[in-house]
Amino acid sequence: AQTVTQSQPEMSVQEAETVTLSCTYDTSESDYYLFWYKQPPSRQMILVIRQEAYKQQNATENRFSVNFQKAAKSFSLKISDSQLGDAAMYFCAVQHNNNDMRFGAGTRLTVKP
Amino acid sequence: NAGVTQTPKFRILKIGQSMTLQCTQDMNHNYMYWYRQDPGMGLKLIYYSVGAGITDKGEVPNGYNVSRSTTEDFPLRLELAAPSQTSVYFCASSYPTGQETQYFGPGTRLLVL
Repeated sequence: AQTVTQSQPEMSVQEAETVTLSCTYDTSESDYYLFWYKQPPSRQMILVIRQEAYKQQNATENRFSVNFQKAAKSFSLKISDSQLGDAAMYFCAVQHNNNDMRFGAGTRLTVKP
Repeated sequence: NAGVTQTPKFRILKIGQSMTLQCTQDMNHNYMYWYRQDPGMGLKLIYYSVGAGITDKGEVPNGYNVSRSTTEDFPLRLELAAPSQTSVYFCASSYPTGQETQYFGPGTRLLVL
């Protein structure tokens, strides 16, 4: 069974600083997709960043980047220059070709002014 | 485009009642999904559809039914509501292969008493 583990239930960062959220997963597949979603208090799920497992290059979206270690099955999210608006729940997810997307339990990020 | 819309936003049901959660997307996406999110947890896939007339079970399908008669609509049916179905329900859609980004609706909060 596919499992996604986010070992940090809560994280805190000072505004303008950098924070890294951890995610590990378990899969027997070689082809899959990895996602980080942000869920603010409005509950809307917002895509932050996406990574194809067959790509060695780490994905980057403005202040958000990932460190994808396929052999270690690790997919961490780095947020640079943190802003107050980054405060939210962050979910790591893994999707296989059968369209079964599995989510981690989430990390609550607090940004201190 | 409105994207993915869900109705109702909130509903209270009594044990044993039935209801249908509505989901509509106007992006002409062929893939659609239903998830549930229990308090403090990540999302779990209930059912998904790869196109009109085709549906399949996800991780937690028991107690739910779906249908897909059109590309735009993907309703989720609860036949005999139970307290364990108290949750927030999210609908999502994606195009074209199902491996692309999933776009989520705003969610429906359901309370079964």
